[in-house]
This record gives sequence, structure tokens and C-alpha cells, in this order.
Amino acid sequence: LAKTTQPISMDSYEGQEVNITCSHNNIATNDYITWYQQFPSQGPRFIIQGYKTKVTNEVASLFIPADRKSSTLSLPRVSLSDTAVYYCLVAPNAGNNRKLIWGLGTSLAVNP
Amino acid sequence: GAGVSQTPSNKVTEKGKYVELRCDPISGHTALYWYRQSLGQGPEFLIYFQGTGAADDSGLPNDRFFAVRPEGSVSTLKIQRTERGDSAVYLCASSLNEGRTYEQYFGPGTRLTVT
Repeated sequence: LAKTTQPISMDSYEGQEVNITCSHNNIATNDYITWYQQFPSQGPRFIIQGYKTKVTNEVASLFIPADRKSSTLSLPRVSLSDTAVYYCLVAPNAGNNRKLIWGLGTSLAVNP
Repeated sequence: GAGVSQTPSNKVTEKGKYVELRCDPISGHTALYWYRQSLGQGPEFLIYFQGTGAADDSGLPNDRFFAVRPEGSVSTLKIQRTERGDSAVYLCASSLNEGRTYEQYFGPGTRLTVT
């Protein structure tokens, strides 16, 4: 499974756009990129997934360059409630077993 | 609708004791995963069920850990002869495994403390 590298922590302010970049140099052809968010004392929550180019939903955008060796999660106009840990995961499209292998994540602190 | 629920929310036990942790997945979700998470770390995969069978138990740390899902719905994670190193938050997740989605729905976790 491809290993991911992302910043340990980031700071931002309310109303700003936050971009968290994840490196996954060993990503395989069939791998998908997925991002999860976790608040303290809660289970992780799925945010977005993508394979290439750009994906957007009501919460975030995911940018994936052509070589797919990195990806960037973009959170528009963050608020205090976006303070959480954000995990980047690379998961193989290998049948039904969708087990997720997690790194340390990026701890995002949004300040007033 | 109801999400994934886990009971108990907290469990304190003494070293050497046996514990059972329960997971109620979202109705109709055929896939069920157990993870555990230590403070400051990402979740660590333990076991994956597809229906009633354990399709991947490669993450179970040793033979003190065992999990069942007899009717393809509720699952129980069982830990024998608990050790202090087993202290962690045990997370359960369920999903439909349809298409190419990696969206798993997580419960709030059971915080296990072994004293």
C-alpha cells in the first residue's frame, strides 16, 4: 500500500481557504485517494475521494495532478468548527476489501 | 437514519481480564471493519468482515484478539487476557462496498483502559 506524507500541523484563520497537500510517490495505477476528517472523541468522517484531476463536493475540493504523486485537499472559507485532524489515504481498488491504512494526519487549527 | 453505534462507550478493566466490545453497523451494510486508535496516532486496521465471514484478519495483533459477526450484522470484538498495551479507542466502521467508494461510516468508538 502506498505510503502518504502530509504536514503534521497547520494553522489558519476563520474565512481563509486552507490547502493541505499530501505526498504519495508510490501510488499504483489502481489506487484511489481519499480524505477523512476526525474531531476529538469522534470516529473519522469521510470527506472526499478522487482518482485524477479535480473532484468537488459540498464540503471540499480535491486536486490531483496528472502524475498523481500528490493531492491537495482544499477547504474553502474555514470556520472554527473545521478544527480537526485530516487524513490522506491511498487505497487500492482491490475488490471488496476496502481496509484503510492510516498515517498521522494533519492537525488543523482554525483561529478566530 | 441511525449511524454506527458502539457499546460500551468506555470500558475500564484490570490486566488479565476478558472484554467484549460491540458494534452495531448501519442496517444493510455488508462490510464491517474494526480499527483501534492510540492517542496521537491514526487508526490501525484490525479486521474486515464481508457478511458473516472474516475476509481479512491480518491486523489482529495476536491470538488474544478475536472478532465475530454471526448474522452478518452486529459484530463483537473479544480480547482475552487484556494487557495495558491494549488500551486504546476501538473504532468500528461499516460500508456498502458498492462501486469504487471508500466511504466508511465510523462509530464513536469504545475507549478501553486496562489498569
